[in-house]
Formats: sequence, structure tokens, C-alpha cells
Amino acid sequence: SAVISQKPSRDICQRGTSLTIQCQVDSQVTMMFWYRQQPGQSLTLIATANQGSEATYESGFVIDKFPISRPNLTFSTLTVSNMSPEDSSIYLCSVVTPGSDEQFFGPGTRLTVL
Amino acid sequence: RKEVEQDPGPFNVPEGATVAFNCTYSNSASQSFFWYRQDCRKEPKLLMSVYSSGNEDGRFTAQLNRASQYISLLIRDSKLSDSATYLCVVIPLDRGSTLGRLYFGRGTQLTVWP
Repeated sequence: SAVISQKPSRDICQRGTSLTIQCQVDSQVTMMFWYRQQPGQSLTLIATANQGSEATYESGFVIDKFPISRPNLTFSTLTVSNMSPEDSSIYLCSVVTPGSDEQFFGPGTRLTVL
Repeated sequence: RKEVEQDPGPFNVPEGATVAFNCTYSNSASQSFFWYRQDCRKEPKLLMSVYSSGNEDGRFTAQLNRASQYISLLIRDSKLSDSATYLCVVIPLDRGSTLGRLYFGRGTQLTVWP
């Protein structure tokens, strides 16, 4: 398994600002993903964080709004840019460890935009 | 049509009851299937994988019917601690899908009462 930490665990932000969420894993992983879970909804994949290259975004998500970095095999950041109340959600990173197709999830970042 | 459809419930059952959740998926090329459990305000955690032959883990039994594109989870002798949301998860195997991408159902909420 993998131990995943996310920072911050929660934040309350003003409209128009940006927040960067960090995801740190205790071991090297093959894949890292960023998900969003809006209130009462299931998880929606935002993008795959690719090590050393641009992230791969799912339909409906763009780099300008959700820039992602992954400088190495154990760390990634997701920025929620120019926030609006509709961005209020839980943001989770997940990882796949070598030799497995199981995904482990971080504890999530609960974001509220006023 | 959504990739994964689940009855959201809620299911409210007494301790000791047997409860079954169902899930259907739309992509016949789907490769891997899982049930995740999500406790309130927590991240999803893998409960069990679902194999074509069916599999059992203690009180939990998972079944897959590829012909009907249908997955089920049976919980016997329900415990209070089983109260959670159960997420049906599918990984498709087709060239149009992001490698490792999970498709989540909305989740089925279960409450076990004493």
C-alpha cells in the first residue's frame, strides 16, 4: 500500500483567488491522479499527473483552470485557479503502486469558496 | 448514459440483516471491477476486487455478470460498522480511456441500525 498526505486538509478561500494543493506519497508510484468530489456526488477524474510532462486532462477540465505539476514520482500539486463558489468541493489525489491496479486515495482537501 | 449506474439508496437495515447492492456499467470493454467503501468525510478505500468467478471475503461477496454488465455486493450479518457509502468502480479497457482511469458510480448509502 501507499501512505498519502495532502496539504492543506481544508481551506476557505475568497472568490477570484487560487489555491495550490499538495500530494505527497511515501513511496514511488506509477500513476497519480487528481479527482474532485462535489457535495453529494461521486468522484470525477480531473486529470492524470504525468511525471516530468504536462498533465492529461479529462473532458471538461483545462490546464488554465487546474494547472498540475508532478516534478517526481512521489509528489504532485493541483492548483485551483480563479476560484468561484462552484469550485467548492473535495479534491483528492490517488496513486497506483507498481505491480498493482489498485488505487489508493489521499485524505482529500475540503475547499470552500465564498 | 453514465458509465456506472448505482442505486443511491439509502438502505437502512437492522444489525444482522443481509443487504445487496447492484451496479451496472455501460462499457462492455471494461476490464476491472471494484467495490470501494467511503466513510463520511473520509477518502474512498478499496473494499474488494470483483472477479468473473465471484469472490468472497468474510461477510462480503462480490459477483460479476459480464453478459448483463452487472456487478453486485452482498453483505451478510450486517454490523453497525458497515454503515458507509459503497462505490462501484470500473476500469475500462479501450483505447479511448485514460490508462488507469476509474469510473465511479454515485455510491449507495448504507445505514445499519442497532
